[in-house]
Amino acid sequence: NAGVTQTPKFQVLKTGQSMTLQCAQDMNHEYMSWYRQDPGMGLRLIHYSVGAGITDQGEVPNGYNVSRSTTEDFPLRLLSAAPSQTSVYFCASRLTGGGYTFGSGTRLTVV
Amino acid sequence: GENVEQHPSTLSVQEGDSAVIKCTYSDSASNYFPWYKQELGKRPQLIIDIRSNVGEKKDQRIAVTLNKTAKHFSLHITETQPEDSAVYFCAGGSNYKLTFGKGTLLTVNP
Repeated sequence: NAGVTQTPKFQVLKTGQSMTLQCAQDMNHEYMSWYRQDPGMGLRLIHYSVGAGITDQGEVPNGYNVSRSTTEDFPLRLLSAAPSQTSVYFCASRLTGGGYTFGSGTRLTVV
Repeated sequence: GENVEQHPSTLSVQEGDSAVIKCTYSDSASNYFPWYKQELGKRPQLIIDIRSNVGEKKDQRIAVTLNKTAKHFSLHITETQPEDSAVYFCAGGSNYKLTFGKGTLLTVNP
């Protein structure tokens, strides 16, 4: 198993550009989430999914969209990048009763 | 929604000493409380977790205790080693929605 795979690892965007952060897992996990990590702020939940076709908002959803068309994939879309979205983004997945497995992260800088 | 507070934000101990990190949560419906370790530049990794129907869980040098009445849970690391140095995060919530604390930077001095 590859676990949770995130791409890209690094990205620089200009303000107003859009992009998609990719996340895929090959463990047949039901639950998937996107978190952002900022210094001193811990990990904050952006969006989560409890299964294919089902998504919901987390703590900081503004400016982000998600979809879950398959169990394996959970992309995060930035609609119009802003400097406040500069952060490290982690995708995570888990099975019922198990702990979250995190991807290696995407370091995004918006200039 | 859930609110998780974590203390202290930094903790420095001598090698061989014990370290304790404490967290409180606000939502009495939360039933799952994991702890993650994150080394610099790496992803968070699960080190231990506990569910609301259990009061204590131990795995070698690491233990977690949960007090549902007081809504707090703690991580205990015994016989600390330099490789335990990292940021530790507590979290609380349910199967699909976790709220994380802001983290504790643990430094173990040789």
